[in-house]
Amino acid sequence: LAKTTQPISMDSYEGQEVNITCSHNNIATNDYITWYQQFPSQGPRFIIQGYKTKVTNEVASLFIPADRKSSTLSLPRVSLSDTAVYYCLVAPRRSSSNTGKLIFGQGTTLQVKP
Amino acid sequence: ETGVTQTPRHLVMGMTNKKSLKCEQHLGHNAMYWYKQSAKKPLELMFVYSLEERVENNSVPSRFSPECPNSSHLFLHLHTLQPEDSALYLCASSHETGSWGGSGANVLTFGAGSRLTVL
Repeated sequence: LAKTTQPISMDSYEGQEVNITCSHNNIATNDYITWYQQFPSQGPRFIIQGYKTKVTNEVASLFIPADRKSSTLSLPRVSLSDTAVYYCLVAPRRSSSNTGKLIFGQGTTLQVKP
Repeated sequence: ETGVTQTPRHLVMGMTNKKSLKCEQHLGHNAMYWYKQSAKKPLELMFVYSLEERVENNSVPSRFSPECPNSSHLFLHLHTLQPEDSALYLCASSHETGSWGGSGANVLTFGAGSRLTVL
């Protein structure tokens, strides 16, 4: 399984764009990159998933360079309610042999200030 | 409400008690997971069930015993726990295979967790 490395913490202010980068140097051809958000005393929540280039949804954008050895989660115009822990996961395409290979790292604690 | 319901939300038990955590999903998923999250630590994968068969057991002590009677329900039976077992226990589910409209890696849907305190 590809190991991921993220900053432990980041600070931002309301209204700013926040970019959190995750390194995954050993990513395999079959691997996808998924980001989750977790608020205190709650379970993580899926934000976005991608394989290459750029993916955008109503919550965030995910930028993946051509070599796929890193990815950047971009949160536009953050608010106080975006204060949470953000996890980057690398996992292979779904199949019966891949079930369970979903390992969370330390994540990045984002603190949004007024 | 995520579609994954965990009960109880809070549980306090002594080291000699026997209790169970329950998880129920209404999403039509066919894989279910137990994770443990201790303070200031990352989530630890404990057990995985796929199509009601256990496919992953990450060296979890035998005082934790999972049960998956059907694809919608998952239990974690607790017996003779230690204070260091106090943590947030999270259940998750996913659609392992089959069509859901796209390819990609598994996407987990988590419950709100059961906060366990062992005295």
